[in-house]
Amino acid sequence: AQKITQTQPGMFVQEKEAVTLDCTYDTSDPSYGLFWYKQPSSGEMIFLIYQGSYDQQNATEGRYSLNFQKARKSANLVISASQLGDSAMYFCAMREGPSGSARQLTFGSGTQLTVLP
Amino acid sequence: NAGVTQTPKFRVLKTGQSMTLLCAQDMNHEYMYWYRQDPGMGLRLIHYSVGEGTTAKGEVPDGYNVSRLKKQNFLLGLESAAPSQTSVYFCASSYHTRGGGDYNEQFFGPGTRLTVL
Repeated sequence: AQKITQTQPGMFVQEKEAVTLDCTYDTSDPSYGLFWYKQPSSGEMIFLIYQGSYDQQNATEGRYSLNFQKARKSANLVISASQLGDSAMYFCAMREGPSGSARQLTFGSGTQLTVLP
Repeated sequence: NAGVTQTPKFRVLKTGQSMTLLCAQDMNHEYMYWYRQDPGMGLRLIHYSVGEGTTAKGEVPDGYNVSRLKKQNFLLGLESAAPSQTSVYFCASSYHTRGGGDYNEQFFGPGTRLTVL
């Protein structure tokens, strides 16, 4: 079974509007972390936001927020007020095990976001 | 700080040739990782290291070897390259722990695009 599922291969959003990128995960480990990374066309991987499995509140970082629904095992990324520079591939990733452990990140297949002017 | 750097940025090999990819980080991170990214897929872990002199296999280790002789460097070797190893290779590093619930995100290098003919 896929550990990280991103069901939207491509998404379009109008500039200045909000967009939600979906991510569902599968793990039996009670301690885990969820990450979102952005990969622009230049290729580098840019860390955006993190949610720990024990965190009580949804994570926020500027225009990024993470809609964490633990019972549904979903960790959707919300980008508010989209900008042209947000056009990129977005990856959801999971670390199984506690923070500080050298555990691999398991990545989803990504969502290509295009922001329209 | 340069962060995570990778050498070379691009390389073309013929089947059967060997090469070594170099990753260097100047953030004093304990953990280092090698991933590969194939078209339409997220990153998959090849090997990782929890410290100088130690390495471990990831999800897709076959055909690769690694070494971590110095804390700041992590080498990825291909002894006999195959066309299936055509990919973009990313190195990443992270802290062991900074405590206080820190999530220890992985910092990625810019990637190496390898083509095996």
